[in-house]
Amino acid sequence: QSALTQPASVSGSPGQSITISCTATSSDAGGYNYVSWYQQHPGKVPKLLIYDVSNRPSGVSSRFSGSKSGNTASLTISGLQADDEADYFCNSYTSSSTPRVFGGGTKLTVL
Amino acid sequence: QVQLQESGPGLVKPSETLSLTCTVSGDSISGYYWSWLRQSPGKGLEWIGFFYYSGSTNYNPSLKSRLTISVDTSKSQFSLKLSSVTAADTALYYCARENRAFDIWGQGTMVIVSS
Repeated sequence: QSALTQPASVSGSPGQSITISCTATSSDAGGYNYVSWYQQHPGKVPKLLIYDVSNRPSGVSSRFSGSKSGNTASLTISGLQADDEADYFCNSYTSSSTPRVFGGGTKLTVL
Repeated sequence: QVQLQESGPGLVKPSETLSLTCTVSGDSISGYYWSWLRQSPGKGLEWIGFFYYSGSTNYNPSLKSRLTISVDTSKSQFSLKLSSVTAADTALYYCARENRAFDIWGQGTMVIVSS
């Protein structure tokens, strides 16, 4: 059972903005600012989009942004494009016996 | 350019040991965490464990009793051994570098547990 809860699916139309939430179900995961987000297209390797809650690696579009409030981290994608249709996973450090945990993933559909 | 490449058998019999190796090229193993992760068909990502270049390791408690992660710095390789496998261990196995996040991934290797 994941310590990070994500919605199973979200959808949006091209050009719109969407937000995917990632809520820590216990304080051992929610207290850290080491949240990262990954995009995975079908059959492809996960790609790092955001690290340390809100930082983008070089080469990642500025349309992707991250934030955190309390125990909930969020990934916002602005100006939705067809290629954004993919699965998105959050990850966090935790102080529990499992130091790295993933959310269950969110499938983004671009309508 | 840092690259990671997993290698190992794609088919393992139930109750046997799954052994995979990740070869790192383009960078030293020193200075980072190096992790194994897996993804069951149609499922999400699961962190298996990591080692730190200093020699420390940390494993997912759900796998700890069956798991060993080791490193051969002379070959720039780190390895995973998972014993007493069952069908539940069938998955796509990834190795990854952790530099504040899992920033570099191998292509993944599919392991099927079946007799």
